[in-house]
Amino acid sequence: AQSVTQLGSHVSVSEGALVLLRCNYSSSVPPYLFWYVQYPNQGLQLLLKYTSAATLVKGINGFEAEFKKSETSFHLTKPSAHMSDAAEYFCAVGAGGTSYGKLTFGQGTILTVHP
Amino acid sequence: NAGVTQTPKFQVLKTGQSMTLQCAQDMNHEYMSWYRQDPGMGLRLIHYSVGAGITDQGEVPNGYNVSRSTTEDFPLRLLSAAPSQTSVYFCASSSHGGFSNTEAFFGQGTRLTVV
Repeated sequence: AQSVTQLGSHVSVSEGALVLLRCNYSSSVPPYLFWYVQYPNQGLQLLLKYTSAATLVKGINGFEAEFKKSETSFHLTKPSAHMSDAAEYFCAVGAGGTSYGKLTFGQGTILTVHP
Repeated sequence: NAGVTQTPKFQVLKTGQSMTLQCAQDMNHEYMSWYRQDPGMGLRLIHYSVGAGITDQGEVPNGYNVSRSTTEDFPLRLLSAAPSQTSVYFCASSSHGGFSNTEAFFGQGTRLTVV
């Protein structure tokens, strides 16, 4: 069984400040981990993914995430927030084997960026 | 390359009506899924398919039927709509290409209201 917990349903930062969105997961097998972004009235777009290669993963738009097995975490960061980063962010865990493509999502974190 | 296409984008149904949400992908992906998105709950898996002729239930399958007669199409049927099925529905597809290819591609969503 898998689960994902995103700490904080809303995060607010100032433009230029550090963005930190927290994600903890539970998985009985080595996980695949993903961060997706959703802009208003749109589908989900992949930001980055962890698939057991490097533990520090770089994604699009300057985002990165670090896989920490000991903490079962996969927090998303960006050094300097931009107004265009305002969106909802979802952490997801995927399984292997016959469950490829089957994702369990966190509750989502809405990021607000203030000028 | 259209990716994942969902129709319709918006739909209003009366309680008890039936309808089919369409999903088509042109990436020759084996895996297709349906999720529903509700505020504060992230995305929850409704039904899942690992290939033509093979489907499986997800976390919230009650009230929904699916079939997969071709690789490209994965329609979701609501047999008797209920207000609890008011939600945004997303179709996703992914390929079984190994560790680097477990990304899911999402459609733009169908916003369904049941009155």
